[in-house]
Amino acid sequence: EVQLVESGGGPVKPGGSLRLSCAASGFTFSGYSMDWVRQAPGKGLEWVSSITSGSSYISYADSVKGRFTVSRDNAKNSLYLQMSSLRAEDTAVYYCARDWDGGSLDYWGQGTLVTVSS
Amino acid sequence: EIVLTQSPGTLSLSPGERATLSCRASQSVSSSYLAWYQQKPGQAPRLLIYGASSRATGIPDRFSGSGSGTDFTLTISRLEPEDFAVYYCQQYAGSPGIFTFGPGTKVDIK
Repeated sequence: EVQLVESGGGPVKPGGSLRLSCAASGFTFSGYSMDWVRQAPGKGLEWVSSITSGSSYISYADSVKGRFTVSRDNAKNSLYLQMSSLRAEDTAVYYCARDWDGGSLDYWGQGTLVTVSS
Repeated sequence: EIVLTQSPGTLSLSPGERATLSCRASQSVSSSYLAWYQQKPGQAPRLLIYGASSRATGIPDRFSGSGSGTDFTLTISRLEPEDFAVYYCQQYAGSPGIFTFGPGTKVDIK
């Protein structure tokens, strides 16, 4: 069974940093691109970042470019999102998701809440 | 940058009725890279349709997708109680990839 479990969320002050993790199991993690998607409270979905299977290609939404860094460790079946210079508008549930066909996300974690507030 | 617009914002229907949800793109989108998701309160999104018209694994056949170019449609042939949720369309473009989600359509019980 495919499972994605995010962790690392919590409260943080504006300007602070946080590292999210996503532990994957039930599939060959090294064979898939992975993504982060976030959802602010009561709002819609916003794609954050993508990383290909071998980390060759990485992309970011303009809203986080230069502040967030995505990475992965295929040996540990883990995906990461290093977030810095956090702003109130970064407050959201952050989901990791598997990109199964190069264009859609077939499995999602349960999400981890990041709250940026003074 | 491609912008996705979904209409209507809210669709109020009764169980057993047909739901037709629209997703319009600001420029042509490859059908291969148009997907639909369902999200219920407190849950992660669930992939329903990929490649504009292919149902994801385990998705009932009352869900269907169609369209091409800039206009795409998700149809739920007969609403079941569990289908009342928010639905998002999503497109993918570029290499490396950029994903864009629409703002969502809420299907609620009339």
